Amino acid sequence: GIQVEQSPPDLILQEGANSTLRCNFSDSVNNLQWFHQNPWGQLINLFYIPSGTKQNGRLSATTVATERYSLLYISSSQTTDSGVYFCAVSTSGTYKYIFGTGTRLKVLA
Amino acid sequence: EPEVTQTPSHQVTQMGQEVILRCVPISNHLYFYWYRQILGQKVEFLVSFYNNEISEKSEIFDDQFSVERPDGSNFTLKIRSTKLEDSAMYFCASSVLGYTGELFFGEGSRLTVL
Repeated sequence: GIQVEQSPPDLILQEGANSTLRCNFSDSVNNLQWFHQNPWGQLINLFYIPSGTKQNGRLSATTVATERYSLLYISSSQTTDSGVYFCAVSTSGTYKYIFGTGTRLKVLA
Repeated sequence: EPEVTQTPSHQVTQMGQEVILRCVPISNHLYFYWYRQILGQKVEFLVSFYNNEISEKSEIFDDQFSVERPDGSNFTLKIRSTKLEDSAMYFCASSVLGYTGELFFGEGSRLTVL
């Protein structure tokens, strides 16, 4: 099956810093989502981005499906950005999303 | 804003007992899913459900698991005889469409098996 790898696995930032999280996938995908899992365990939808670029406030994401990767940019990070960031992909002919390995982000005040 | 709701938020059970986790998907969504996350690990797919039948299931979803949509709003996951390794957070999700649809998750049900 498809493999979804995220990097870096862990990231520590000072408040106000910028960061880029990467999601690589081993096969063609129909869809890709980014989620933030907050410290309470909730999975929060960030982006639904099968291709192209989207922005939402301090966050933006780019998916280059032909090259099998997606990037999540966090600018001017805040302590509330802490948590785990997951990408998840779905492929043609399946009825599921496969989650990546996650990036654990800690933002220090 | 419509949301997926799950109950209970936390359940503690003894090994060998049956557990039912409940979910109310978003009302106009057609596809329903269960995922689980063992503490500190990634989120794993269990099963997808559409039109009152299982669309796809993972290797984890063995005979001790079952899903049901008993009425027009609820979607349940039953674990027949719980094991210690079933301790995890269980997430319900729904989408309007299948593999082309955006997934929305509930807040999760934490299951602790003693």
